[in-house]
Amino acid sequence: TQLLEQSPQFLSIQEGENLTVYCNSSSVFSSLQWYRQEPGEGPVLLVTVVTGGEVKKLKRLTFQFGDARKDSSLHITAAQPGDTGLYLCAGARGGSQGNLIFGKGTKLSVKP
Amino acid sequence: GAGVSQSPRYKVAKRGQDVALRCDPISGHVSLFWYQQALGQGPEFLTYFQNEAQLDKSGLPSDRFFAERPEGSVSTLKIQRTQQEDSAVYLCASSFLAGGGRIEQFFGPGTRLTVL
Repeated sequence: TQLLEQSPQFLSIQEGENLTVYCNSSSVFSSLQWYRQEPGEGPVLLVTVVTGGEVKKLKRLTFQFGDARKDSSLHITAAQPGDTGLYLCAGARGGSQGNLIFGKGTKLSVKP
Repeated sequence: GAGVSQSPRYKVAKRGQDVALRCDPISGHVSLFWYQQALGQGPEFLTYFQNEAQLDKSGLPSDRFFAERPEGSVSTLKIQRTQQEDSAVYLCASSFLAGGGRIEQFFGPGTRLTVL
């Protein structure tokens, strides 16, 4: 059961365009992480957001955690072909174990 | 090595065969996780070890799935009497500290299992 809903599932854009990917849940998470996964590889962590309302920037990527810690967004400015990949959000429910609950992912394709 | 390694990278099994998937975590990492990623889906949690102790196996889909980490480093995920629905990529992740979703998990490249 996927508790985290990501949208859109697929996104194909031209180089230079901006985009936003959403990650929504009815559950509260102690923290939320965004990963990027390329074909044949494991996910690689991009950012962890912890505080409700938190905004983090990583070069052209901006991540936001919702005030209620139930949702998050990833905004990419001036997308480049190198941004192509599967973007996964993952929530931690708290406690001592740390296993993550992943969304299905957004498959992004940036065409030159 | 510098990262998490998994072997084999690809495994084809006939239905009913047993398979064993290996994970070598980053040296010194306390926590080790196994996830299953079906085609077009995000990873789903299977089981978690803290050192050699298996603290959570709530995600294992059936009693055909078994995982161990006897010396607190290398881990093996074993699937008995494989079924077609077991076809997926099996990801292993490790983290330096114990617990807490704030701790970065480092993922291996996965083992792609195909059951015919």
